[in-house]
Amino acid sequence: DSGVTQTPKHLITATGQRVTLRCSPRSGDLSVYWYQQSLDQGLQFLIQYYNGEERAKGNILERFSAQQFPDLHSELNLSSLELGDSALYFCASSVSWDADTQYFGPGTRLTVL
Amino acid sequence: AQSVTQLDSQVPVFEEAPVELRCNYSSSVSVYLFWYVQYPNQGLQLLLKYLSGSTLVKGINGFEAEFNKSQTSFHLRKPSVHISDTAEYFCAVSAVSNYQLIWGAGTKLIIKP
Repeated sequence: DSGVTQTPKHLITATGQRVTLRCSPRSGDLSVYWYQQSLDQGLQFLIQYYNGEERAKGNILERFSAQQFPDLHSELNLSSLELGDSALYFCASSVSWDADTQYFGPGTRLTVL
Repeated sequence: AQSVTQLDSQVPVFEEAPVELRCNYSSSVSVYLFWYVQYPNQGLQLLLKYLSGSTLVKGINGFEAEFNKSQTSFHLRKPSVHISDTAEYFCAVSAVSNYQLIWGAGTKLIIKP
């Protein structure tokens, strides 16, 4: 158990809908990362937050947004969902923005029908 | 920009035999290198990392990897595999200036009894 929690574990929704994925980092970790793992694209870095501020952006679509709250939990919002957004979404956390070890949560499996 | 190539999508090996999972990277800047493992239906777990210093890095569960700068490789090895090593293994790279992980496509290690 990495100490990173993600909810929900599974999510099934329809095209055009909006969903919110939630992540709670390990106790004491200030940085949160979001990744998408899909069959065709593999693992991709989406976005990083550090202590409430956006730190780095990767291959995140404009339909996706994220934020980190004062209690350090993070939410990833996915809107106008398409079939291709079906994937496993991982959250990871680390002590600081430049820590070399990231701890991964179990993931949220999103299925868009 | 960095990129990672994992040369084998699947590696079948007999139990107690040695295994090598290959990883090559490309980058115009200095990099950090990582191997993560993903057990079935679980999140990713750090196996080992190379930041600097000795090019032979030892990790958890008896795995080790060697950083070869001239060949831009970071191959993962284990002298004797067990059925519990069945998993998918991901090589990742980040530039020294940031910790945004760029991932390989993964190699599934299949242990034959």
